[in-house]
Amino acid sequence: DTEVTQTPKHLVMGMTNKKSLKCEQHMGHRAMYWYKQKAKKPPELMFVYSYEKLSINESVPSRFSPECPNSSLLNLHLHALQPEDSALYLCASSPRQTNTEAFFGQGTRLTVV
Amino acid sequence: AQTVTQSQPEMSVQEAETVTLSCTYDTSESDYYLFWYKQPPSRQMILVIRQEAYKQQNATENRFSVNFQKAAKSFSLKISDSQLGDAAMYFCAYKRDDMRFGAGTRLTVKP
Repeated sequence: DTEVTQTPKHLVMGMTNKKSLKCEQHMGHRAMYWYKQKAKKPPELMFVYSYEKLSINESVPSRFSPECPNSSLLNLHLHALQPEDSALYLCASSPRQTNTEAFFGQGTRLTVV
Repeated sequence: AQTVTQSQPEMSVQEAETVTLSCTYDTSESDYYLFWYKQPPSRQMILVIRQEAYKQQNATENRFSVNFQKAAKSFSLKISDSQLGDAAMYFCAYKRDDMRFGAGTRLTVKP
């Protein structure tokens, strides 16, 4: 299995809702990443987990809450989002955090209404 | 902090011709990876080619090759025999502890 699987593919949520994005990989990778990508912009790093521990938090607002319950699974919990948070959220994984390529999922297209 | 610069927002190439996309980066590290990713309208990030900084030999993957100049911190992508399916957004990326992307170059392929 060489895939990073993200669910759901599309999500529409209200500003008062609570939702979660899920990312799964079964390649034995020990580093996982969340990126946010706005239209016509490059992906921006949000969080990095290494060996299930939060390694990098790029000063992301607390309405985004990451969780890595095990080495195969990465969640992004969403609460009280703003319309400007609408974007493509990409998950990626790599064998380890340093000096290896990252494999990307297909992303979750999030719309906040 | 590491920065990645792609100075060509848009490029155009005739089908079957060759095109080169430019990328420069800034780092104080000596050991790192560089990548070119392709992102078609489907938004899936597809790895095109990778280069380990400790390797002097330029990476090649079929029609795709790079010109890696470590001292100049330059990492350009050459696409030979361009095909319609090559049309996409291309991102140059630097990775050591995390992956940083350039602003991207939108490549159009004309039939």
